Amino acid sequence: EPEVTQTPSHQVTQMGQEVILRCVPISNHLYFYWYRQILGQKVEFLVSFYNNEISEKSEIFDDQFSVERPDGSNFTLKIRSTKLEDSAMYFCASKVASDSPLHFGNGTRLTVT
Amino acid sequence: AQSVSQHNHHVILSEAASLELGCNYSYGGTVNLFWYVQYPGQHLQLLLKYFSGDPLVKGIKGFEAEFIKSKFSFNLRKPSVQWSDTAEYFCAVTPYNTDKLIFGTGTRLQVFP
Repeated sequence: EPEVTQTPSHQVTQMGQEVILRCVPISNHLYFYWYRQILGQKVEFLVSFYNNEISEKSEIFDDQFSVERPDGSNFTLKIRSTKLEDSAMYFCASKVASDSPLHFGNGTRLTVT
Repeated sequence: AQSVSQHNHHVILSEAASLELGCNYSYGGTVNLFWYVQYPGQHLQLLLKYFSGDPLVKGIKGFEAEFIKSKFSFNLRKPSVQWSDTAEYFCAVTPYNTDKLIFGTGTRLQVFP
């Protein structure tokens, strides 16, 4: 069964550094998402992306965050200047159509020191 | 505030016991409802979903959930759990006219043989 793959599985970065989290959605999927889960808290929506543009974003997704689908297979989340509170598990997800089930990746654990 | 509540944070059962996990949401309009499961070390997987129609929804692995509109609830049930059901279970809601999943805090289920 095709899967959403995320790399790396764990990333450690220093506060203030830029970080890029990478995702390869399932190949025929058209809708792409990032969610995050701070340890002990709820899974939170960050952003949705369709037709090469952001379709919806949460309050968390401020100017420090950006997403890109540079080549038709990768979907990246960039945090320009990381803060300690950005430490979380970041999940990428994709789906083929608007009413299809969402498929999640295994997540990238980001630790900001 | 709009939210999803899961009242059971940690449930411990013996094999063959019946399971019911509570989920309530606080959105007033039309919603789509979901239960996701996350087995240890794995990604979030869809167990079942409700969009419309029969409020009793059957999902994978013998799980079912009942949408009770008057109670704003979507409880998950399984008549007889197995050790392999040990996982974290997340209720989620997509309010009408949005594409984002709003998650509950999750319920950790441990099943002992």
